Amino acid sequence: QSVLTQPPSASGTPGQRVTISCSGSSSNIGSNYVYWYQQVPGTAPKLLIYRNNQRPSGVPDRFSGSKSGTSASLAISGLRSDDEADYYCAAWDDSLSGRVFGGGTKLTVL
Amino acid sequence: EVQLVESGGGLVQPGGSLRLSCAASGFTFSSYWMSWVRQAPGKGLEWVANIKEDGSEKNYVDSVKGRFTISRDNAKTSLYLQMNSLRVEDTAVYYCELYSSGSDFWGQGTLVTVSS
Repeated sequence: QSVLTQPPSASGTPGQRVTISCSGSSSNIGSNYVYWYQQVPGTAPKLLIYRNNQRPSGVPDRFSGSKSGTSASLAISGLRSDDEADYYCAAWDDSLSGRVFGGGTKLTVL
Repeated sequence: EVQLVESGGGLVQPGGSLRLSCAASGFTFSSYWMSWVRQAPGKGLEWVANIKEDGSEKNYVDSVKGRFTISRDNAKTSLYLQMNSLRVEDTAVYYCELYSSGSDFWGQGTLVTVSS
């Protein structure tokens, strides 16, 4: 059972907009930054969003992050077939003194 | 170019020990926190531990406290994870990670299999 809660799956058709939610608590999302990672199976994760809504250099603006209270969301617009991957949210947890990840969301592009 | 190369994984029996290494290059290793993150087969990501630039502060996930020790050698630009009293549930790919201000780098991972 992950500390951060994500839906196990999400899907969309090419061109659509998809959102993935991440729910936490006051000790993690509620008081710290949220990060989002994309992982294609068999490869290392790639940072998509840092500090709630910032994109690293090279990440397309089709990816956006938001945070409200103890929840966060990742939105992907203009869905492409190569967006098919697993997506994870993460945050520091003050109570655990450690970083926590969501269980991951498998995105399928139909 | 930042490079992180893990090594030291392999097959070990329950109760055994392994020491993972992560050779870092392409950045000033002594200036950054470093982390270990693992991923069990077919499962999600799990943060394991991190260590401050000078090694003076370390944090661990509860499930490895007292069994795993993270360390670093800044002169050798290397990160380590000493894993003792290994359990079947420690089976995973172990990644070392560097994060700093929106830049994030991962190694290719090293597989640790705990099985009799």
